[in-house]
Amino acid sequence: NAGVTQTPKFQVLKTGQSMTLQCAQDMNHEYMSWYRQDPGMGLRLIHYSVGAGITDQGEVPNGYNVSRSTTEDFPLRLLSAAPSQTSVYFCASSKMDRDPLEQYFGPGTRLTVT
Amino acid sequence: AQTVTQSQPEMSVQEAETVTLSCTYDTSESNYYLFWYKQPPSRQMILVIRQEAYKQQNATENRFSVNFQKAAKSFSLKISDSQLGDTAMYFCAQKGRQGGSEKLVFGKGTKLTVNP
Repeated sequence: NAGVTQTPKFQVLKTGQSMTLQCAQDMNHEYMSWYRQDPGMGLRLIHYSVGAGITDQGEVPNGYNVSRSTTEDFPLRLLSAAPSQTSVYFCASSKMDRDPLEQYFGPGTRLTVT
Repeated sequence: AQTVTQSQPEMSVQEAETVTLSCTYDTSESNYYLFWYKQPPSRQMILVIRQEAYKQQNATENRFSVNFQKAAKSFSLKISDSQLGDTAMYFCAQKGRQGGSEKLVFGKGTKLTVNP
């Protein structure tokens, strides 16, 4: 298993540009989520999904869109990038069960918006 | 709402010694899960240890153990025989159900440095 993969690893955008951060997992996990990590802030939940066709907002959803058309993929879209979105982005997945397991994280994407 | 607090932004320890990282949390749920994640300079998030709230016995994984005090809502991580490879950011996290969905809430992290 490749686990959770994210592309790209690094990205520089200009203010106002749009882009999609890709996330895929091959573990047949129902639950997938996106976090952003800022210095001194820990990880904050942006959006999450409990299965294909189902998404919901997390703690900091503004400026981001998500969709979940398949179990494997959970892309994060920035429609109009802003400098405040400069951050490291992590995708994570886990099984949803009566006894939930830990989340598996991707390697992260470092995004800089100038 | 769930909150997780790590009151020690930075800590250091000498190699082979023991160090304890603190974490407190707040939740209204009766059944939840607590985790410690390690983030080395590679940026990868690595699960260190987890604890189910309904289990009274403290979890242990090799040199890592927790002191889980449910009434005090405290979940500290003890690292014994510290090694240079333990140098990393450590995040405490709580997982529970809100609105019928699984959510993971993180603390702000503690930067641990192990000195030779």
